Amino acid sequence: SQTIHQWPATLVQPVGSPLSLECTVEGTSNPNLYWYRQAAGRGLQLLFYSVGIGQISSEVPQNLSASRPQDRQFILSSKKLLLSDSGFYLCAWVTGTGGYGYTFGSGTRLTVV
Amino acid sequence: SQQGEEDPQALSIQEGENATMNCSYKTSINNLQWYRQNSGRGLVHLILIRSNEREKHSGRLRVTLDTSKKSSSLLITASRAADTASYFCATESSGNTPLVFGKGTRLSVIA
Repeated sequence: SQTIHQWPATLVQPVGSPLSLECTVEGTSNPNLYWYRQAAGRGLQLLFYSVGIGQISSEVPQNLSASRPQDRQFILSSKKLLLSDSGFYLCAWVTGTGGYGYTFGSGTRLTVV
Repeated sequence: SQQGEEDPQALSIQEGENATMNCSYKTSINNLQWYRQNSGRGLVHLILIRSNEREKHSGRLRVTLDTSKKSSSLLITASRAADTASYFCATESSGNTPLVFGKGTRLSVIA
């Protein structure tokens, strides 16, 4: 079966510290992968997406970066966190070339203090 | 940027009543999708309607799409307390372009 794992579930990090969030997908190959961020009580903002290994598209210029070292692994990173990086980070995947619903991970609640 | 705008922002109804949420968008689309999010959880895909479809059903869900008005509605019939969640519409402009989400409607179903 197809599953998506996202961790950690919660994270409290000081300003200026690094960040690494990981997302892995099982049961499918060559998925499109996405990182979204959701501010409290708001909609989802697309941060990065990838249609293949090593390919990353950035939607919002900021101090975050993403990498896809393996087909089913998507990593969100930062060298130095800002207060404004706090939020709920969601990873999602879809297979095919459009016209399908996304499957989301359970999310990571990041609080930068 | 956010393409879809849901209306209302919040909705409170009694169990057994129907809940209607609306979504408006700005540009042409391939399809429109509705998702549900329980508090603090990931989103769950509910239903997808393509641009050449006008209505779609799935269990207690009914979705309509009016491409001339660039709007969609989600109807949940005979609501239950377990339907309490936030509901988001999302649009896909063309194949392989990422979904763009609205801000969502918070639905509260009171038992």
